[in-house]
Amino acid sequence: DGGITQSPKYLFRKEGQNVTLSCEQNLNHDAMYWYRQDPGQGLRLIYYSQIVNDFQKGDIAEGYSVSREKKESFPLTVTSAQKNPTAFYLCASSPTGQVTYEQYFGPGTRLTVT
Amino acid sequence: QQPVQSPQAVILREGEDAVINCSSSKALYSVHWYRQKHGEAPVFLMILLKGGEQKGHEKISASFNEKKQQSSLYLTASQLSYSGTYFCGYRSGNTPLVFGKGTRLSVIA
Repeated sequence: DGGITQSPKYLFRKEGQNVTLSCEQNLNHDAMYWYRQDPGQGLRLIYYSQIVNDFQKGDIAEGYSVSREKKESFPLTVTSAQKNPTAFYLCASSPTGQVTYEQYFGPGTRLTVT
Repeated sequence: QQPVQSPQAVILREGEDAVINCSSSKALYSVHWYRQKHGEAPVFLMILLKGGEQKGHEKISASFNEKKQQSSLYLTASQLSYSGTYFCGYRSGNTPLVFGKGTRLSVIA
């Protein structure tokens, strides 16, 4: 079955540590996205990539970094510079070239930093 | 800039109807609606395109007023399974979706 996988589902880290969240898709989509979700805030865009080896900052990129070395993979690193990293992180993907495309979401990773 | 959704929350009894609104200050090309259950991924419901074309869920309908840059999602004869948080997202070009803060819908027996 095609889809998006994110691992792990729950992640716990100590403050000051960098942590990398995994996102893999086998839908053959060119574009991939990372969103952060906090209670009452909706989904806010962190980074997105429309092609391999290229990515753009979203609205809340500070304290995060990404890479896109393969079409299937778009890992997100939450660095120690991120002030409030505890959140639910959602990865998504979509085809490009058509503005009517829907975005498909992965199951999410809930990160807790103490 | 995030689209504005209203209401923020609504409680319905099974069989009742609801309308969720979404408005934007930007010119929209398309509006997308998703539903999210707690702790799960958002699930696609509906897309409305500039020009009136509509794709999506057979039991939920929506409208898109291009002049007002507003969209409304209509849930009729609600079922318990309709409970969740509904998000609208818009696209003003070949860009990622920008989502509203969501509307929490609770359907009770």
